[in-house]
Amino acid sequence: QKEVEQNSGPLSVPEGAIASLNCTYSDRGSQSFFWYRQYSGKSPELIMFIYSNGDKEDGRFTAQLNKASQYVSLLIRDSQPSDSATYLCAVPSGTYKYIFGTGTRLKVLA
Amino acid sequence: DTGVSQDPRHKITKRGQNVTFRCDPISEHNRLYWYRQTLGQGPEFLTYFQNEAQLEKSRLLSDRFSAERPKGSFSTLEIQRTEQGDSAMYLCASSTPVLGGREEQFFGPGTRLTVL
Repeated sequence: QKEVEQNSGPLSVPEGAIASLNCTYSDRGSQSFFWYRQYSGKSPELIMFIYSNGDKEDGRFTAQLNKASQYVSLLIRDSQPSDSATYLCAVPSGTYKYIFGTGTRLKVLA
Repeated sequence: DTGVSQDPRHKITKRGQNVTFRCDPISEHNRLYWYRQTLGQGPEFLTYFQNEAQLEKSRLLSDRFSAERPKGSFSTLEIQRTEQGDSAMYLCASSTPVLGGREEQFFGPGTRLTVL
């Protein structure tokens, strides 16, 4: 089992819809979870961070964490074509290392 | 520009040659990471520096790879005797510890390596 798993997609949603991106992780000791967005040909940039069970909202983005199920998700409300990108889930492993998932490619259709 | 910079942006080399990449982090950041990313994959952790100390190195990293951060500022990543499998985007990221566990890594633009 991979340490951090994501569906590679592509996930296609119409403009204005809610996009739901999922990530599962294997280390039950993981405490914090990060979502990065990576546009094609660009570097990743942090969009959300969560460490408590439940939901965390930031603008159109909501991160949801369920530690019992080892599951973290990212919801994007009112999806826009500019949200089309690859979304990477990252989980710290040990003291200094970060494990990234393979990313889910999101396509928002105008 | 006060972001993370990397040099060169592109490098084409022949198999067996040595290559060296440079990363200049954000000036006040004491943490520096190197990652490798191939098409369709997420960044793969290579190594981590806190100031000038290399505190973690991936077990997947062969002894052909070496990294330094001699004065706790810029860092170099050297690959000796390159192989075609080394072709990838090499990303550098820097960060600084923040209370509450939120550590935002700022990534540089990357160095794309092609080994012929």
